[in-house]
Amino acid sequence: TQLLEQSPQFLSIQEGENLTVYCNSSSVFSSLQWYRQEPGEGPVLLVTVVTGGEVKKLKRLTFQFGDARKDSSLHITAAQPGDTGLYLCAGERERANSKLTFGKGITLSVRP
Amino acid sequence: DAGITQSPRHKVTETGTPVTLRCHQTENHRYMYWYRQDPGHGLRLIHYSYGVKDTDKGEVSDGYSVSRSKTEDFLLTLESATSSQTSVYFCAISEGDSGTDTQYFGPGTRLTVL
Repeated sequence: TQLLEQSPQFLSIQEGENLTVYCNSSSVFSSLQWYRQEPGEGPVLLVTVVTGGEVKKLKRLTFQFGDARKDSSLHITAAQPGDTGLYLCAGERERANSKLTFGKGITLSVRP
Repeated sequence: DAGITQSPRHKVTETGTPVTLRCHQTENHRYMYWYRQDPGHGLRLIHYSYGVKDTDKGEVSDGYSVSRSKTEDFLLTLESATSSQTSVYFCAISEGDSGTDTQYFGPGTRLTVL
């Protein structure tokens, strides 16, 4: 059983569209991170959320941590081809001593 | 970019042979990690280190061993490679011991076991 479920697994949209993707769990996390990975490269951190209900914005990307700290969402406004990539969420369970658990990822393709 | 290098970047080997992958950092970060990434499984932690000669197992440690004799180097060894260990291996580093600390990833090593 995957601890962090990400949905949808694949998403192909047109440039300019908005989208929301999700990272869900039945477990509580003390923090949750979102990474983006491009082909042939390692993941790169986008954001870390720590407080339940927290919302963070990074240009056109909006990240929200659920009130119960079990889930998170990523909303992209006016998607661009440069947003194409694999989006991974990763959470630290309480008392996990810096070990992260990763979801399987969401493959996003933004067509020009 | 965080100073992390992995070597080799690509390797093809045969079942039963030993393989060692190297991760080198120039950031003097305390924590180092080895992950494998496979389609349908995402990133899974193999082993990690919280200091020189201090290591611990991750969720998929069977068939792998690690060593850290210097702060900057973390070695992953497959004692006898199997086809199920064909994967892309990523090394990561972080400065602190909190899950809120950024993990910086290396460029990956693509390993094929025939």
